[in-house]
Amino acid sequence: AQTVTQSQPEMSVQEAETVTLSCTYDTSESDYYLFWYKQPPSRQMILVIRQEAYKQQNATENRFSVNFQKAAKSFSLKISDSQLGDAAMYFCAYRSAHTGGGADGLTFGKGTHLIIQP
Amino acid sequence: DAMVIQNPRYQVTQFGKPVTLSCSQTLNHNVMYWYQQKSSQAPKLLFHYYDKDFNNEADTPDNFQSRRPNTSFCFLDIRSPGLGDAAMYLCATSRTRFASDYNEQFFGPGTRLTVL
Repeated sequence: AQTVTQSQPEMSVQEAETVTLSCTYDTSESDYYLFWYKQPPSRQMILVIRQEAYKQQNATENRFSVNFQKAAKSFSLKISDSQLGDAAMYFCAYRSAHTGGGADGLTFGKGTHLIIQP
Repeated sequence: DAMVIQNPRYQVTQFGKPVTLSCSQTLNHNVMYWYQQKSSQAPKLLFHYYDKDFNNEADTPDNFQSRRPNTSFCFLDIRSPGLGDAAMYLCATSRTRFASDYNEQFFGPGTRLTVL
């Protein structure tokens, strides 16, 4: 079974600064997908960024980028120019490339609570 | 806007009293998922429907059941809630069950269940 570990329960950053959230995972599979989801208070979880394991290039979405280290099974999220609206719970998630059985769902980490200080 | 809707947002029930949580979607997605998110823990997949095909996770308690009467609606039934079932329940959808590009999961806002 796959596991996802987020070792930082809470992170704090000054507005306009850069912050990096850590995520490690464990799997015996070679093909999979990794995600970062954002869950603002009392609102639904939304996808921030996605990485395909077969792609060596790190994914970027505007101010959000990842550092994907497949050999180390590490998938960190960097948020540049932090804004007050970035304050939320951030979840790292794993999804097998296979289909069927328990492979169809996401395996989540426990989340990192990101605080943005004005 | 197309979305995933969960009702109610907050549900209080008594120990042992059956409760049903509702999820609806306007995305016309084939797959609907239910996740349980306990306080300070990772969301955990309970089960999912691919169209009308029900897929139960191996460690989902028998106390939890689900129904999907049509594409738009999916229900989570807890037959005899215990104190340990208090959690946020998240509904999600995806267009297909295949883990291809751009097949992300869309989440509802969740229903917070309290068991007294």
